[in-house]
Amino acid sequence: SQQGEEDPQALSIQEGENATMNCSYKTSINNLQWYRQNSGRGLVHLILIRSNEREKHSGRLRVTLDTSKKSSSLLITASRAADTASYFCAPTAVTGNQFYFGTGTSLTVIP
Amino acid sequence: DTEVTQTPKHLVMGMTNKKSLKCEQHMGHRAMYWYKQKAKKPPELMFVYSYEKLSINESVPSRFSPECPNSSLLNLHLHALQPEDSALYLCASSQGFVRLPYNEQFFGPGTRLTVL
Repeated sequence: SQQGEEDPQALSIQEGENATMNCSYKTSINNLQWYRQNSGRGLVHLILIRSNEREKHSGRLRVTLDTSKKSSSLLITASRAADTASYFCAPTAVTGNQFYFGTGTSLTVIP
Repeated sequence: DTEVTQTPKHLVMGMTNKKSLKCEQHMGHRAMYWYKQKAKKPPELMFVYSYEKLSINESVPSRFSPECPNSSLLNLHLHALQPEDSALYLCASSQGFVRLPYNEQFFGPGTRLTVL
């Protein structure tokens, strides 16, 4: 399966700090998406970056994509306690429209 | 309406029971998905329906039987489950399942299933 590997597995920061999480994947992609999941709930789509894009912003989120290294990063600036959640990357393989979630990063923002 | 609803929220069943999970969306999406998620793990894709036809079955045991009665509804019928099938079952939908560059999925809140 086309699964992403995320790093770190867990991250704990103080409110107001920035949080960075990384995703690496194995094959050529069409796009890569990031999702957030609050504990025991459904996932929420955060941002999609296409394979021909290098950087994308959405509010406090900044996503980068390096297709030569097969990696992406998600930066959350000025973190808030409400950002506490698990974050998953989801690379979409060129060969199909379905995608598989990465292993996830558990983010804890301490007030 | 950008909501995906799932019922029930919680379900406890014995290994000999038959039950069904339901999912509904009214966004006009033509692709619907079932995922299974164990604690502290990413969601695992189980089934994908595209235009009410089963497109993907990720080698899921036959004790899980999906059904898509129409473009808005998706069911997952459960029979003779095992305790290891206890998990959060998530439903999702997206605009389509053809070669689209954009395939954001909208997720329901999930059904927490416990098999005794």
